Amino acid sequence: AQSVTQLDSHVSVSEGTPVLLRCNYSSSYSPSLFWYVQHPNKGLQLLLKYTSAATLVKGINGFEAEFKKSETSFHLTKPSAHMSDAAEYFCVVSANPNNFNKFYFGSGTKLNVKP
Amino acid sequence: DGGITQSPKYLFRKEGQNVTLSCEQNLNHDAMYWYRQDPGQGLRLIYYSQIVNDFQKGDIAEGYSVSREKKESFPLTVTSAQKNPTAFYLCASSLDRDRNYGYTFGSGTRLTVV
Repeated sequence: AQSVTQLDSHVSVSEGTPVLLRCNYSSSYSPSLFWYVQHPNKGLQLLLKYTSAATLVKGINGFEAEFKKSETSFHLTKPSAHMSDAAEYFCVVSANPNNFNKFYFGSGTKLNVKP
Repeated sequence: DGGITQSPKYLFRKEGQNVTLSCEQNLNHDAMYWYRQDPGQGLRLIYYSQIVNDFQKGDIAEGYSVSREKKESFPLTVTSAQKNPTAFYLCASSLDRDRNYGYTFGSGTRLTVV
């Protein structure tokens, strides 16, 4: 079975300080992992993805994530938060049972950035 | 540029009415999906389609219907049987058999019952 747990529903940081959004997953298959960002009343935009190549993945807007198989984690980080990073972030695991690409979403983490 | 277009952006429905949400993609993707988003609940899968003229129920299909007559289009009808339809609806597409590819999302439709 596949599932995703985002450990924090809300995270608040000050502008210029580091961001850490935590994600743990479980998967019966070799997973692909994604982080998406959603601004209010918008669709989801891909930040980055892990697809069994390098375990440290760099994405857009300075975000990166590290795949740790032993910890079943895929935490999202950014060295310095910007006001425009305030949004909701979703961790997603993709499995391919029966040759069909299905996504499993975490419940989301809302990031608040204080001036 | 290729992408997914959802319309309308905002939709208001009276009690007992059926409404249809449009989703069109020009990415030549095989698979299309409909998700419902409620505050604090993440995204829940309503229906998905892997090929034209075929679709499957997701986790919360009751009160919804879909069709897939063309590869580019996957409209969602919210019927009067859906008791709590107020939500944000997202359409997505992907290359079906490539789990590394990811989903491309539309910008969503916010449905409100009045």
